[in-house]
Amino acid sequence: EADIYQTPRYLVIGTGKKITLECSQTMGHDKMYWYQQDPGMELHLIHYSYGVNSTEKGDLSSESTVSRIRTEHFPLTLESARPSHTSQYLCASRGQGGSEQYFGPGTRLTVT
Amino acid sequence: KQEVTQIPAALSVPEGENLVLNCSFTDSAIYNLQWFRQDPGKGLTSLLLIQSSQREQTSGRLNASLDKSSGRSTLYIAASQPGDSATYLCAVRPMDSSYKLIFGSGTRLLVRP
Repeated sequence: EADIYQTPRYLVIGTGKKITLECSQTMGHDKMYWYQQDPGMELHLIHYSYGVNSTEKGDLSSESTVSRIRTEHFPLTLESARPSHTSQYLCASRGQGGSEQYFGPGTRLTVT
Repeated sequence: KQEVTQIPAALSVPEGENLVLNCSFTDSAIYNLQWFRQDPGKGLTSLLLIQSSQREQTSGRLNASLDKSSGRSTLYIAASQPGDSATYLCAVRPMDSSYKLIFGSGTRLLVRP
């Protein structure tokens, strides 16, 4: 059972608002990831982290930013939400070596 | 560039049937391959992880095989149930970019009661 949590699960917000999507894991994993997925479509890696104070952009350009101040916490922030940000955001984590990658339940974001 | 393909894109079977989902990848230089299940609007649930040195992994009614040299993996589901209905994704972790998983586009499975 994966212990990775995302809040909120659903968020409807107006254009221009600043939002932070939370992701936490209790497995002590050093690697964490954020993916974006539109309904029925493939996953796109938007950010990843190898550990505390390490963050990198993924394959899909994103206007979001991330931080990794604590091992267990990897929040994603949108400074000014737009309708084009409407999507599902999935957080994941992985331990050392060739270990399994676990996903959180996702946050479904709607920007009106 | 690593590419992962899953066939078929969709599958509908009656309850109780045994079935096989296919995954192929273009570059055999991988650390491992992972099978996931995704229910509509939800996150991904890890089903099985096969390291590059392994040939197969089993969990309950699920059995995944890996033939790295031919770039193929199969997920075998025995005695399918309506609760198995979901999208099944395979993903490989390439050796040249081990920070990420490369996902297939998935197989949408419907098991009819």
